[in-house]
Amino acid sequence: DAKTTQPPSMDCAEGRAANLPCNHSTISGNEYVYWYRQIHSQGPQYIIHGLKNNETNEMASLIITEDRKSSTLILPHATLRDTAVYYCIVSIQGAQKLVFGQGTRLTINP
Amino acid sequence: GAVVSQHPSRVICKSGTSVKIECRSLDFQATTMFWYRQFPKQSLMLMATSNEGSKATYEQGVEKDKFLINHASLTLSTLTVTSAHPEDSSFYICSARDPYSPRGLETQYFGPGTRLLVL
Repeated sequence: DAKTTQPPSMDCAEGRAANLPCNHSTISGNEYVYWYRQIHSQGPQYIIHGLKNNETNEMASLIITEDRKSSTLILPHATLRDTAVYYCIVSIQGAQKLVFGQGTRLTINP
Repeated sequence: GAVVSQHPSRVICKSGTSVKIECRSLDFQATTMFWYRQFPKQSLMLMATSNEGSKATYEQGVEKDKFLINHASLTLSTLTVTSAHPEDSSFYICSARDPYSPRGLETQYFGPGTRLLVL
């Protein structure tokens, strides 16, 4: 079973920052938080992952709370092409499996 | 970045026939590949884990005799849907794990998916 809870849908205006929350209150100390997204009719795309420190890459930023029970994915300047379903997944290294929950359907509006 | 391809991208077949879907890692060697199935408006469901040179590990409820998986090389895994029926119509997605990815062991790279329609 998925160990994360995400809002089913969100809207964001083009050019604004999109903040996608994820709750993972039962996360273990050795579990990482991964974010993937799936644009309609395509395979999922890796975005970012982290353990406890905040992370940033060319796509997004990941903010993990100090207790690690929740995190927020930030798309700093959302574009129409960021419209997708965003999945937050927790997994330990070496577990191999990624268990996908229902994700958040993010719609970027012009 | 790592690239995974799938072939075909779309296939229509008659009920009772078998369909083979290929998954290839194009620029890395994947010791482990995964097969997922996704029904409309639903999330991805893991079907099986495929390790090169050994038998696949199937998730509970997935019929191994119906969904044959072969991972004969470090860059190719195949999924064969045998005796396909209309209820097997779905979006099949593979992924591959790059053991040397700087992004970490659990980063999976996904193929573009194969849409199967069984008439």
